[in-house]
Amino acid sequence: SQQGEEDPQALSIQEGENATMNCSYKTSINNLQWYRQNSGRGLVHLILIRSNEREKHSGRLRVTLDTSKKSSSLLITASRAADTASYFCATAPGDGGTSYGKLTFGQGTILTVHP
Amino acid sequence: KAGVTQTPRYLIKTRGQQVTLSCSPISGHRSVSWYQQTPGQGLQFLFEYFSETQRNKGNFPGRFSGRQFSNSRSEMNVSTLELGDSALYLCASSIQGYGETQYFGPGTRLLVL
Repeated sequence: SQQGEEDPQALSIQEGENATMNCSYKTSINNLQWYRQNSGRGLVHLILIRSNEREKHSGRLRVTLDTSKKSSSLLITASRAADTASYFCATAPGDGGTSYGKLTFGQGTILTVHP
Repeated sequence: KAGVTQTPRYLIKTRGQQVTLSCSPISGHRSVSWYQQTPGQGLQFLFEYFSETQRNKGNFPGRFSGRQFSNSRSEMNVSTLELGDSALYLCASSIQGYGETQYFGPGTRLLVL
């Protein structure tokens, strides 16, 4: 079963606009990660935010984490057509490291950026 | 460094057959995780291997199995294929498998007829 819920399920914007995607999760986490997937191919890691961090930036990406609400958001600024992809949040459980190698993924947001 | 590689990229099988998928992790990565991705269930964790040992397993039937070799390369096997096994199978490698960033291969797309 999927721990994360993402919204919106689909997002369509114009180039240059900002895109915001949200993710909620259910259990305690060690960290939360965001991945991108182009057309059913492999996932590409975007950014990792630890449970004791509230905000993180990487280039045009900004991620926030609110552990009290068990939620995270990914903001992509000045979107480009090349950003068109599916975006997934994934949580690494905060169970002391016993869930080896397991990330729990949300259902994903399909982002379409129109030129 | 070379990325994670998976072979084959595409596979067509019929019900009842078995299939073996292969994954070569990034050099130096000792943890390999496998995921199944379907439109209905999304990305689901299958299992994880580290130093030739399965340390974690998801909720999949025993028809799904795997192994890891001393060079960290991993294989997964699905026996007695069912139509519902049609999916994109992704492997990912990480250094230790302790919740750090995972690096994914391009996946193997399996179609069961």
